Amino acid sequence: ETGVTQTPRHLVMGMTNKKSLKCEQHLGHNAMYWYKQSAKKPLELMFVYNFKEQTENNSVPSRFSPECPNSSHLFLHLHTLQPEDSALYLCASSLMTGLSSYEQYFGPGTRLTVT
Amino acid sequence: LAKTTQPISMDSYEGQEVNITCSHNNIATNDYITWYQQFPSQGPRFIIQGYKTKVTNEVASLFIPADRKSSTLSLPRVSLSDTAVYYCLVGDWNTGGFKTIFGAGTRLFVKA
Repeated sequence: ETGVTQTPRHLVMGMTNKKSLKCEQHLGHNAMYWYKQSAKKPLELMFVYNFKEQTENNSVPSRFSPECPNSSHLFLHLHTLQPEDSALYLCASSLMTGLSSYEQYFGPGTRLTVT
Repeated sequence: LAKTTQPISMDSYEGQEVNITCSHNNIATNDYITWYQQFPSQGPRFIIQGYKTKVTNEVASLFIPADRKSSTLSLPRVSLSDTAVYYCLVGDWNTGGFKTIFGAGTRLFVKA
């Protein structure tokens, strides 16, 4: 238990569906991240939020839409996905102060399958 | 962010000390070195971070030579549960926008 929870843990969706992934952190952190991990590939950073403001968007397709309503919650809205978007989606959080910034706490991930 | 190079995989036996070396030839002055561990179907877990010389915590030690162009993660007396992928990251998160780049990592397999 890392203090970062993600729901759902597993999701199967069709290419025309709209769904959302949820992440919540109970650590008092002020930065939150979305990562994608495909089979046999390194983790790819997708989005970074710092105090609810998006500071990084690594050229992610617009079919992925993040939302950060407050420092404790992060969503990833999904629509018209492709089969190649099937992956493990990981949420992480950290403090944004000094050396604590280097230590990210990851959630268990959502295993997404697009059919 | 500095590029890192690690061995793809390593094998070890229970009870042995394991050393995983990471090369980062273009590390910048303000960069720190961080190591993470990841088990299958789980998120990575922070292990240790350092800037120079040696850092030790309850889990591992991190050795960084004076030129800082490489670093070595040392796991004392590994057990079967240490079988995982280990990632070396280098960056200055204070000014780098917290852009975290994970490489392929080193897959450690501990045998009985």
